Amino acid sequence: IVLTQSPGTLSFSPGERATLHCRASQSVGSYLAWYQQKPGLAPRLLIYDSTNRASGIPARFRGSGSGTDFTLTVTSLEPEDFAVYYCQQRHIWPWTFGQGSKVEVK
Amino acid sequence: ESQLVESGGTLVQPGGSLRLTCAASGFPFSNYAMTWVRQVPGKGLECVAYMITTSTVHYSDSVKGRFTISRDNAQNSLFLDMNGLRADDTALYYCATGVLVGSFDSWGQGTLVTVSS
Repeated sequence: IVLTQSPGTLSFSPGERATLHCRASQSVGSYLAWYQQKPGLAPRLLIYDSTNRASGIPARFRGSGSGTDFTLTVTSLEPEDFAVYYCQQRHIWPWTFGQGSKVEVK
Repeated sequence: ESQLVESGGTLVQPGGSLRLTCAASGFPFSNYAMTWVRQVPGKGLECVAYMITTSTVHYSDSVKGRFTISRDNAQNSLFLDMNGLRADDTALYYCATGVLVGSFDSWGQGTLVTVSS
């Protein structure tokens, strides 16, 4: 299953709302996760199974979608939110990741 | 708190072999599916192998027949035996796990494998 993320790079100021998209080449049901990765660090799970925040993840991170179209929304960007975000499906092996969307400071 | 620590990455020549180890602690290791995920520096992420038990093992097409995943539940350790290494196997290799199979809430720091002559 190929996951396509858009846009590749997004530029925002702190406090703005960011919306990231992930489209699957076939249905993955609700088995889609979102990760955040900062330079030199492992990815961090934000959202699992489309809408569920992982432990310790702030409420400003919201996931939605099902089937083939999914969205990650950061309602008000904090300075620590500027990073690369990946979507990942666990519906069918091999579990696959999108190519990533970079959220950068405008 | 769960912790995963990978080791074994190094520089190896094309065609060579390597064993990666992931030491786990802080969670009931034997009950968890474990996955090796690799990342070419600056690029995306790829799941290459996962294991629940010895009878539930899966590989990506890119490593099938060359890599073998195994685990020692008594030692809380996960392994990846890599044979026939190629330049395109060069990557940072993470072990990862989570409460849900295929969803990764715990990651190691990664171990770097470089395949080059």
